[in-house]
Amino acid sequence: DADVTQTPRNRITKTGKRIMLECSQTKGHDRMYWYRQDPGLGLRLIYYSFDVKDINKGEISDGYSVSRQAQAKFSLSLESAIPNQTALYFCATSDGGGATIQETQYFGPGTRLLVL
Amino acid sequence: GQQLNQSPQSMFIQEGEDVSMNCTSSSIFNTWLWYKQDPGEGPVLLIALYKAGELTSNGRLTAQFGITRKDSFLNISASIPSDVGIYFCAVNTGGFKTIFGAGTRLFVKA
Repeated sequence: DADVTQTPRNRITKTGKRIMLECSQTKGHDRMYWYRQDPGLGLRLIYYSFDVKDINKGEISDGYSVSRQAQAKFSLSLESAIPNQTALYFCATSDGGGATIQETQYFGPGTRLLVL
Repeated sequence: GQQLNQSPQSMFIQEGEDVSMNCTSSSIFNTWLWYKQDPGEGPVLLIALYKAGELTSNGRLTAQFGITRKDSFLNISASIPSDVGIYFCAVNTGGFKTIFGAGTRLFVKA
C-alpha cells in the first residue's frame, strides 16, 4: 500500500464551487505539506503543518485553506474555486530529518484539478 | 523571494546518450536535492547533497554540490527510456521549507 495517498486523483468542478482534496499518510510523520504544480513553475508551497496544532501559510495560500484533522490527515480546501486554480496538487510528508540530516519529503501521487 | 534557476527546461535525447542538467541560485544553501517525477506520479528523491564540493552517485546518476554553494549539477549516463520524467532540483531553506526549481523535462527516444 502507498505511504501517502490522495483523494480524489482527478476532479472537474465549476467556478464558485467548494472543493476539498484529502491526503492521508501511514509513515507516522509529523510534517505535512500541500503544493501545486503548474507547467514551467515547478512545485509551489500552499500550506504546511509541523504537527496537529500547527498550520502555516506557504508561498501561495490565497484562495486556499487547510485542516489537519489528525497526524495522518491533512486536507486542502478551495472555498470558491476559480479557473486559475486548475493545476496538479501534491501532498507531501516528512520526518523533519535530524540535526545533521536534510529532511526528505515523500509525495503522494497527486490530484489533477480542472476548474471550469 | 528565493528562486532556483533550473536548465534546460526540456531535453530530447536518444537512448544511450548522457544527460546533464543544472540548477543555480543567487543565494547560498547548505543542501541541494534532486527529485524525479515519473509521469502520473509524485516526485521521488534521487540524491541529496550536504557538503560543498560533494560528488554523489546513485547508479547511473551523479550529482555535484557546487563549491560556491549556489549551484548543483545532475548527470545521467547511458540514458534509457525509463529515465523519462521531470527532474527537479530543490533546496531546504532555514525555515525547514523546501523550494523547488521549475524542473527539466526529459524525453528519451528508443
